[in-house]
Amino acid sequence: QQQVKQSPQSLIVQKGGISIINCAYENTAFDYFPWYQQFPGKGPALLIAIRPDVSEKKEGRFTISFNKSAKQFSLHIMDSQPGDSATYFCAASIPGSSYKLIFGSGTRLLVRP
Amino acid sequence: NAGVTQTPKFRILKIGQSMTLQCTQDMNHNYMYWYRQDPGMGLKLIYYSVGAGITDKGEVPNGYNVSRSTTEDFPLRLELAAPSQTSVYFCASMDGSNQPQHFGDGTRLSIL
Repeated sequence: QQQVKQSPQSLIVQKGGISIINCAYENTAFDYFPWYQQFPGKGPALLIAIRPDVSEKKEGRFTISFNKSAKQFSLHIMDSQPGDSATYFCAASIPGSSYKLIFGSGTRLLVRP
Repeated sequence: NAGVTQTPKFRILKIGQSMTLQCTQDMNHNYMYWYRQDPGMGLKLIYYSVGAGITDKGEVPNGYNVSRSTTEDFPLRLELAAPSQTSVYFCASMDGSNQPQHFGDGTRLSIL
């Protein structure tokens, strides 16, 4: 119940295309869903986050779509660029858990020029 | 601001050796975390701390120990290194609700 399942493991997209990464969870107590971006040799960095009281959040080319009834959320990268090539992790947190994050297994995105 | 600093960046250990991975942050964050990252497995929480003098186990604490004597520092100790502890270790800190976890650049550890 503490798992967050992420798919796909890897993704190749042409420049200008849309990248879509999906995550699913079981524990309905989760109340915070961040996405982290990680470049090789670096630590993850927060990209965008959402709480379950909204169905969508957009920041520039990055959008989180959240489906509370299906217990799924996804990251959409519009107009994907080679500089977006990185590993993306979804995560979830339970209130009152000292903000501990449960991470998905990661998606390695390659955007071809 | 340096943010979260981890040392060393790389280390090779022999089975049975011990070492301490250092983590320091200059943001005065109360919350600090240690993760390990294995290929295709995401990040798993090893230990965490909600403030100086307070630590608790995460999902995969076996074989590790931590201490938090100051707000800034949160070292992770491996007492008897085993090949299963070969991984990339990340330290993170955060301020509290609605704030992101800030990660260091990791320590890549190989145990042979």
